[in-house]
Amino acid sequence: AQSVAQPEDQVNVAEGNPLTVKCTYSVSGNPYLFWYVQYPNRGLQFLLKYITGDNLVKGSYGFEAEFNKSQTSFHLKKPSALVSDSALYFCAVRDINTGKLIFGQGTTLQVKP
Amino acid sequence: EADIYQTPRYLVIGTGKKITLECSQTMGHDKMYWYQQDPGMELHLIHYSYGVNSTEKGDLSSESTVSRIRTEHFPLTLESARPSHTSQYLCASSDTGAAGEKLFFGSGTQLSVL
Repeated sequence: AQSVAQPEDQVNVAEGNPLTVKCTYSVSGNPYLFWYVQYPNRGLQFLLKYITGDNLVKGSYGFEAEFNKSQTSFHLKKPSALVSDSALYFCAVRDINTGKLIFGQGTTLQVKP
Repeated sequence: EADIYQTPRYLVIGTGKKITLECSQTMGHDKMYWYQQDPGMELHLIHYSYGVNSTEKGDLSSESTVSRIRTEHFPLTLESARPSHTSQYLCASSDTGAAGEKLFFGSGTQLSVL
């Protein structure tokens, strides 16, 4: 069965520092991977996706994610965090059998001034 | 900007009432989804539809039902609300196409059943 795991419930970083939000996946075949962000009292927004090609994927709001096949990871990164990046982040993988997106449990990112 | 709308934004209702959560999208997407999310927790797929007159149950068992009579409309109904139904309900849509299509989400309906 396809699955994703986000091992950290919460990540705390200081503004201006680099941030990483971790995600590992388990799929059979080539993975289709996504990151979504949920700001307080808002719906989820698409950040970026990996289908094929370069392992480093660039997305919205200065975020990027690195696909690592050997480590089955798809960590979300940003070189310099902003307070406004504070939100709930979800990693997701597409189930190749059903086409549905399977979401991780989410990681709360807290960026402090 | 995604055009997918959910109403109401908040709903507080008594046990036993029938409720319908509305979801509409103006993007012409074939695929629509309902997710249930407890605060700060993962999303669980409860219903999805791949087109008009197509509805399927998701991964999480739910007492709710859905209908898809028109492409743009995907309402979710609870015949008899109970406190265990208290949660946030998120509607999403995506178009039919490449495997990497992205989901567009509505702002959600926060349901509280007393």
